[in-house]
Amino acid sequence: GQQVMQIPQYQHVQEGEDFTTYCNSSTTLSNIQWYKQRPGGHPVFLIQLVKSGEVKKQKRLTFQFGEAKKNSSLHITATQTTDVGTYFCAALGAGGTSYGKLTFGQGTILTVHP
Amino acid sequence: NAGVTQTPKFQVLKTGQSMTLQCAQDMNHEYMSWYRQDPGMGLRLIHYSVGAGITDQGEVPNGYNVSRSTTEDFPLRLLSAAPSQTSVYFCASSPTGLDYTFGSGTRLTVV
Repeated sequence: GQQVMQIPQYQHVQEGEDFTTYCNSSTTLSNIQWYKQRPGGHPVFLIQLVKSGEVKKQKRLTFQFGEAKKNSSLHITATQTTDVGTYFCAALGAGGTSYGKLTFGQGTILTVHP
Repeated sequence: NAGVTQTPKFQVLKTGQSMTLQCAQDMNHEYMSWYRQDPGMGLRLIHYSVGAGITDQGEVPNGYNVSRSTTEDFPLRLLSAAPSQTSVYFCASSPTGLDYTFGSGTRLTVV
């Protein structure tokens, strides 16, 4: 089945430092999504990337989809304590035809020290 | 809109007991899914549905049943609870099968 590998598993940063998490697949993805889960909370949809090489920004967050559509990254510039949480990437099932069957990466737990 | 509502929020079961985790959404979403979340394992798909009357298995379906008799409801049944089913369970829904709205979760402990 579809597998999505996400690294690193943990990241500790000082407030103001940058942060990046990476998502990789052995197969071509039809799209990829990113979610954020605050401690004790539930995942919240952030964004979806569909096109090869696509780059999207949300304030300090930059999302990128690789040219081969096999990898993606989330970069946060100048982290703040409000960025604390777990960031997940997620992709559709094999072939991109299994709509609804979303596979999540293991997530990156971000800790920000003030 | 209430969004995705999960009940109960917390539950303790004894090994061998059965129970149903409830999930309801009021957004008329066709797609609904159940995930379990365990430390270091991310979110693993248990079962999902692409519309009323249609369900399919995810990555970890053993020990769980689902049904989708209405668009709004997607209950998850634990047939005979085992300690390995101790987890946080999330229900989620989507209009497109792509961008999901999650419920607040059910924290289940099986002793």
